[in-house]
Amino acid sequence: DSGVTQTPKHLITATGQRVTLRCSPRSGDLSVYWYQQSLDQGLQFLIQYYNGEERAKGNILERFSAQQFPDLHSELNLSSLELGDSALYFCASSAGGTGGRDTEAFFGQGTRLTVV
Amino acid sequence: GEDVEQSLFLSVREGDSSVINCTYTDSSSTYLYWYKQEPGAGLQLLTYIFSNMDMKQDQRLTVLLNKKDKHLSLRIADTQTGDSAIYFCAETDPGQGNLIFGKGTKLSVKP
Repeated sequence: DSGVTQTPKHLITATGQRVTLRCSPRSGDLSVYWYQQSLDQGLQFLIQYYNGEERAKGNILERFSAQQFPDLHSELNLSSLELGDSALYFCASSAGGTGGRDTEAFFGQGTRLTVV
Repeated sequence: GEDVEQSLFLSVREGDSSVINCTYTDSSSTYLYWYKQEPGAGLQLLTYIFSNMDMKQDQRLTVLLNKKDKHLSLRIADTQTGDSAIYFCAETDPGQGNLIFGKGTKLSVKP
């Protein structure tokens, strides 16, 4: 058990809909990262939050957004869903910082999103 | 830009050693990581190596780093069927702190 909790584990929704994925980081970790894992693109970094503030952005679509709340849990919002958004979405947490041991990231079990 | 490359498949017999190779592009990465993903599961951090090290051993796992060639390898000694999984090499984006992953190497262990 990594200590990172993601809900729900599975989500099936229709095209055009909006969903929210939730992540609770490990106790004490200030950074939350979101990654998307798909068969064709592999593991892609989406966005990072550190102590409530957006810190870094990767390949995140404009239809997607995220936030980190004062209690440090994070939500990833996916809207106007398309078939191609079907993927496994991972949340990871770390102590924070850049480039050092602080970036040692622990991953949740993921949310499998299926868009039909 | 940053890119991490791995071969996609590796098949070994139980009891043999497995060697999974990875090349990365960003020489300023401070840490390099190996993650394991079992079917239907999340990513488990296996081990990491600091960029000023050449080698790190952790029980059955040995990580070798050739910084000059930007080559990282993971050796699993006495490979077991339970080691069957996808192994991801990752480097840290030094500017942002997120991980940049390779596509993963699927290790199949035959009895």
